[in-house]
Amino acid sequence: AQKVTQAQTEISVVEKEDVTLDCVYETRDTTYYLFWYKQPPSGELVFLIRRNSFDEQNEISGRYSWNFQKSTSSFNFTITASQVVDSAVYFCALSEANNFNKFYFGSGTKLNVKP
Amino acid sequence: ETGVTQTPRHLVMGMTNKKSLKCEQHLGHNAMYWYKQSAKKPLELMFVYSLEERVENNSVPSRFSPECPNSSHLFLHLHTLQPEDSALYLCASSQAGRGVVTDTQYFGPGTRLTVL
Repeated sequence: AQKVTQAQTEISVVEKEDVTLDCVYETRDTTYYLFWYKQPPSGELVFLIRRNSFDEQNEISGRYSWNFQKSTSSFNFTITASQVVDSAVYFCALSEANNFNKFYFGSGTKLNVKP
Repeated sequence: ETGVTQTPRHLVMGMTNKKSLKCEQHLGHNAMYWYKQSAKKPLELMFVYSLEERVENNSVPSRFSPECPNSSHLFLHLHTLQPEDSALYLCASSQAGRGVVTDTQYFGPGTRLTVL
């Protein structure tokens, strides 16, 4: 079974629209970490955020915000006022404290932001 | 150089060739990783080295052979590959070890490999 599910394969929005990328995870560990990465066309995965399972506070960084809800096992990512430069594939990932080396990646959501 | 670097960025090889991918991290980390990213597939973890010891090998075919001579360098030696091995190969590093909480993995730009 998939540990991290990103049900949206591809999303297209027009610049300045807000967009939310969904991430649902599955784990039996009480201690775990969640991540979001951005992969632009150049290929490199760029780290965006890390969250531990004990911190459910939502986080905002500029136009980016993250909503972590343990009750629904979700860690959604919202981009406000999207820009063309936000076009990329976004990956959600899970790491469990009992196997710190292993990251479980979702299949990614491709975001197209059109001018 | 900063972060994680990978060379070459692009590689085309025949099925009978032998080549190596190189990864170097400049972050002072002690764990390094190889991932394979094929079109329309999730990222696949291939190998993990922690403190220069291989700690995970996810049933990768023997035509892929990793080498980690020190905590800053990681190689992936390739021989007699198949066309289905064509993919983006990503290297990552992190600070991790027993008793240390999971740390973020930082990725290199990848090597785009094409096997003819």
